[in-house]
Order: sequence, then structure tokens, then C-alpha cells
Amino acid sequence: KNQVEQSPQSLIILEGKNCTLQCNYTVSPFSNLRWYKQDTGRGPVSLTIMTFSENTKSNGRYTATLDADTKQSSLHITASQLSDSASYICVVSDQAGTALIFGKGTTLSVSS
Amino acid sequence: GAVVSQHPSRVICKSGTSVKIECRSLDFQATTMFWYRQFPKQSLMLMATSNEGSKATYEQGVEKDKFLINHASLTLSTLTVTSAHPEDSSFYICSARDRGQGLSPLHFGNGTRLTVT
Repeated sequence: KNQVEQSPQSLIILEGKNCTLQCNYTVSPFSNLRWYKQDTGRGPVSLTIMTFSENTKSNGRYTATLDADTKQSSLHITASQLSDSASYICVVSDQAGTALIFGKGTTLSVSS
Repeated sequence: GAVVSQHPSRVICKSGTSVKIECRSLDFQATTMFWYRQFPKQSLMLMATSNEGSKATYEQGVEKDKFLINHASLTLSTLTVTSAHPEDSSFYICSARDRGQGLSPLHFGNGTRLTVT
């Protein structure tokens, strides 16, 4: 069964600190993996898209990694800001691109 | 960048009435749009896939007669919650994929908060 598991479920960090969110998947065949940021009461916004051939992709202070062999991805946030407080969702697409499997998300709270 | 507009952002309706939610792609054509439901502190649950000019594909457990989807053009899909009940209260989100880009990100609307009283 295709699944996407995210950890931790929630995380609280101090402003300025770094953090790493994890995403493990069992989707096969695999096409791409996406990280989204969802602010409360808003729609998700794309952060990165990675295909199986990509290991690392950055978007400002966000860096995503992908290990297609172990089927793991991480999202690293550097020098966190209060505005980083949100839910981060990992979404994996199968090779046909017809199925999008959503993780349950990690809720990040950045405090001052 | 690509924008998906969802309207209304909030709606309160009485039990038994119907509510229509619109999802528009503003600067790109979307042959496929997706409708999701999200409960508090939960991730998005795909309800249905809407294809322009054809019938929507519903996920298992989603009543197609209750959640009517119409995708009449390449820029507009609508979700109508018919005979709404309090248990239909939720956050509904649409997304669209730019058909012109093979590996384009999904563009999400900002959601509609439905409250049925």
C-alpha cells in the first residue's frame, strides 16, 4: 500500500534555530516528491519538487534532500523565523503521476 | 506565479441547503483540478479529481451525489455540497496543475471554511 509517513508530528523550536523534518514513503513506482508549507486557514504553497535523480534542492532557507534508495526525504529549515510556523506536508507522486499521496504533515511552531 | 482563486473563503449555511464553491485558475489552463477536505490538525484528504469536459473521479467513500463537481472549462471547477448537514462542516481546498508544465507544482486555492448550522 502506498503510504507517506512524516515525523515528527509536531515540533517547537526557538527563533533562529535550525530544524529537520522527515518524510518516509513506500510509493512505488516513484515519480516525484514535493514539500508544501501550509499556513493555518490557507492553502498549501509549494516549496520544492524533487525527482528520483535529484538528491538536494534548495529554496531560500529551505533545503530538501531525497534518498530514492531508502525512500526517505528531509526538509531542513535554516535560521528559523516566526513566519515559518506552519504545517509542512510531504506529497509523493507515483510514476504515472496519477496518484498523489499526502503525508499527515508536521506542525512547526517557532517561538521568540 | 500561477494563482488559483477559491471562492468563497467562508460560508455559513443552514442544514438542508446547498453550497457551491468555485475554484479558478487565473493565469494558466488546468485540465485537471483536485478537491480536498481537511479536518482540524489533519492533512488533506483527496475527495475527487475533476477533469475538464468529463465526469469527476471520486475517491472511495465520497458520495458523488452529495458532492457534485463540475469542470466546465479549463479555468473553472465547482464543488456543490448538496443538502448540507453539520457533519459536512470542514475546510475544503482545491488545487490545479498547469497543463503546460510537465512537472509543475500543484497550485492550491486558499480554501473555503464551510460551517453548517
